[in-house]
Amino acid sequence: EPEVTQTPSHQVTQMGQEVILRCVPISNHLYFYWYRQILGQKVEFLVSFYNNEISEKSEIFDDQFSVERPDGSNFTLKIRSTKLEDSAMYFCASTRQGGNSPLHFGNGTRLTVT
Amino acid sequence: AQSVTQLGSHVSVSEGALVLLRCNYSSSVPPYLFWYVQYPNQGLQLLLKYTSAATLVKGINGFEAEFKKSETSFHLTKPSAHMSDAAEYFCAVTSNDYKLSFGAGTTVTVRA
Repeated sequence: EPEVTQTPSHQVTQMGQEVILRCVPISNHLYFYWYRQILGQKVEFLVSFYNNEISEKSEIFDDQFSVERPDGSNFTLKIRSTKLEDSAMYFCASTRQGGNSPLHFGNGTRLTVT
Repeated sequence: AQSVTQLGSHVSVSEGALVLLRCNYSSSVPPYLFWYVQYPNQGLQLLLKYTSAATLVKGINGFEAEFKKSETSFHLTKPSAHMSDAAEYFCAVTSNDYKLSFGAGTTVTVRA
């Protein structure tokens, strides 16, 4: 069965550095998402992306975050200047249709900011 | 806005016993409800979904959930727990706006 793949599985970075988290969604999917889970807290929506633009973003997704689909397969999340509180597990997800279609999640990237 | 509340952050059951995980939702519009499971070091895997068809929804691995509008609940059950069911379980809700709101999760441990 096709999977959403995320790389790296674990990223350690220093505060203030830029990081790019990479995702390869399932190939025929059209809607893409990023979620994050801070240790011990709920999984939170960050952003949804469709037709090469952001369809919705949460209040967490401020100017230091950006998303891009640079080619036909990758979907990236960039954090421009990381803060300690950005440490979390970041999940990429995709779905063929939007709305109530179930999301297919990747295994996540654990980001540790020191 | 929608939200879900999962009652009990940790549930411990004996192998072969009933698994019951509670989820209550809040939504101003008809909700779509999901249960996801997360095994250690893995992503979120869909167990089952409710999208306004049958109120009793059967999912993978022997799990099922019943949508009860009068109780605003969507509890997850499995008649007989297996060791492989040890994982974290998340209830989630959306209203067709592409955005899932997750509960805090319930960790299930299974005793031999």
